[in-house]
Amino acid sequence: DVKVTQSSRYLVKRTGEKVFLECVQDMDHENMFWYRQDPGLGLRLIYFSYDVKMKEKGDIPEGYSVSREKKERFSLILESASTNQTSMYLCASSFHAGEVGETQYFGPGTRLLVL
Amino acid sequence: DAKTTQPNSMESNEEEPVHLPCNHSTISGTDYIHWYRQLPSQGPEYVIHGLTSNVNNRMASLAIAEDRKSSTLILHRATLRDAAVYYCILRDRRMNRDDNIIFGKGTRLHILP
Repeated sequence: DVKVTQSSRYLVKRTGEKVFLECVQDMDHENMFWYRQDPGLGLRLIYFSYDVKMKEKGDIPEGYSVSREKKERFSLILESASTNQTSMYLCASSFHAGEVGETQYFGPGTRLLVL
Repeated sequence: DAKTTQPNSMESNEEEPVHLPCNHSTISGTDYIHWYRQLPSQGPEYVIHGLTSNVNNRMASLAIAEDRKSSTLILHRATLRDAAVYYCILRDRRMNRDDNIIFGKGTRLHILP
């Protein structure tokens, strides 16, 4: 079975802190994604990566950065956390696009509270 | 991107079949229909996908209308563990680096014991 793990299930940080959210997948997937999920807004894509050291902005990249130094690991960084970044953060991975209808596999999520 | 429309919520009794509808009237010929679900306090998980023909797997069945403008996810015998938000999503099957999924609000399925 595919496994996508996230470093923390729950996290509490203060405004202005630098926050690192880690995601690891064990299926040698090329693509990795970071989403945030908020009530009434569904999932929104923050950043994605289709290869090591490659990254692309998603729908709402402002206030975030990412790092993909190794294929299995994709990190989301909040440079200076703000209260409006309180959310559920979900990581996902998939095989490279081009394989028809391939599935994205999601991690369990990290619920971040910024005070 | 083609959009989908789903009811906000549905209820079903335990051990009865559940039919979750999805309308996608602007679907293009290259869009696959995917269904994901999200159990409480968990990330989304894949359920099933299809293009034109009806599909079955161990979790559910997917019935696709002949004109592909709507589809129905069928849970044959709902259990309490099937209570979740179900998302119907269209994904372009062409090669595309922008391989993200656009989730709508989904249907919240309540299972009554």
